[in-house]
Amino acid sequence: VQLVQSGAEVKEPGESLKISCKASGYTFRTYWIGWVRQMPGKGLEWMGVIFPGDSETRYSPSFQGHVTISADTSSSTTFLQWTSLRASDSATYFCARHKHSTLPDYWGQGSLVAVTS
Amino acid sequence: DIQLTQSPSSLSASLGDRVTITCRASLPINNLLNWHQQKPGKAPRLLIHAASLLYTGVPSRFSGSGSGTDFTLTISGLQSEDFATYFCQQSASSPVTFGQGTKVDI
Repeated sequence: VQLVQSGAEVKEPGESLKISCKASGYTFRTYWIGWVRQMPGKGLEWMGVIFPGDSETRYSPSFQGHVTISADTSSSTTFLQWTSLRASDSATYFCARHKHSTLPDYWGQGSLVAVTS
Repeated sequence: DIQLTQSPSSLSASLGDRVTITCRASLPINNLLNWHQQKPGKAPRLLIHAASLLYTGVPSRFSGSGSGTDFTLTISGLQSEDFATYFCQQSASSPVTFGQGTKVDI
């Protein structure tokens, strides 16, 4: 299993952003895959997951409405998207395959997002 | 949301030491507790799932125990590559939650 994430991004408040995570080494459409936030020097916060086989998506209430998780089965890629970034979105974002919808078992290398004016 | 409280927040240990980290859940979660290891600047790695089951490729010096609300991660014979931060994580209900982490250093 390998999860390769897109590179670091520097954005201004109010801008939109879509980061990606390309999966390989397993059947993409048959496992949940999701996103976890880590703010600088802090712990892990689970944002939500998607099941690529039917696009069912589950969000943490803390992130519902502010981000969108999607998946493209043709490229085995999952995405995390913002329409209007805030400075407080500055963090490292990890994608993670989930053994089931609540158990991350393989992690991507992380994507650093910096939102600054 | 289910809250997870780890203790201690940090500890200092020496090579070969036996290290124990505890995690307490705010509600009973049966055995649906997992442990992840994270080294600085790296992605987390799943070590133990279902409270006591070693994940693929994890050395046997790691072990986990517990059920209900109280859980333990033990490292028997600390190695240099074990200096890292350890997070517990519950998979009993959505949203998934993590403990605040325990940093193990020299």
